[in-house]
Amino acid sequence: QVHLLESGGGVVQPGGSLRLSCAASGFILGSYNMHWVRQVPGKGLEWVAFVRYDGSDKHYADSVKGRFTISRDNSKSTVFLQMNSLRVEDTASYYCAKDNYWGFDHWGQGTLVAVSS
Amino acid sequence: QTVVTQEPSFSVSPGGTVTLTCGLSSGSVSTNHYPSWYQQTPGQSPRTLIYGTYRRSSGVPDRFSGSILGNKAALTITGALADDESDYYCMLYMGVDIWVFGGGTKLTVL
Repeated sequence: QVHLLESGGGVVQPGGSLRLSCAASGFILGSYNMHWVRQVPGKGLEWVAFVRYDGSDKHYADSVKGRFTISRDNSKSTVFLQMNSLRVEDTASYYCAKDNYWGFDHWGQGTLVAVSS
Repeated sequence: QTVVTQEPSFSVSPGGTVTLTCGLSSGSVSTNHYPSWYQQTPGQSPRTLIYGTYRRSSGVPDRFSGSILGNKAALTITGALADDESDYYCMLYMGVDIWVFGGGTKLTVL
């Protein structure tokens, strides 16, 4: 059974950094592209970042480009999101999602990031 | 910048049929956008309903179906149940490894 478990969220000051992790189980992570998606409380979903199955290609939403870095360690079945220069508007729940080529077929439970002074 | 559009809200009677749509501020939605649909209730993670325009995710009842209607992607719910009251998001693949969500539709069943 596919399971995605995010961790690493918390409270951070503006300008600070956090590293989110997404531990995958129930499937071979190295065979699938993966994504991070976020949701500001009470608002809609926003796609944040993509990493190809082998880590060879990465893409970002304009809102986080240059500040966030997605990576993966297939040997540890984990996907990461390094978030630097955090802003108040980055406050959101962050979900990792598994890509099945046609869309996202599994989601984690999310981890909450709060950027506040 | 192209915006993915959805109805902000919709209402359906129990047992009724409703079609939610997903369009583009500029241009038409096609199967090349790999439209997908996600259901979310407050406090929960999104649940995948449909991917690749019409492919139903594992465990999703066949009351949910996806299609292209005219120049938009569509999610049709037949025989609506009270449990279907949720937020529904569509997502489109915009090419060059970029994905965009619509703003979501709040569905009320009453």
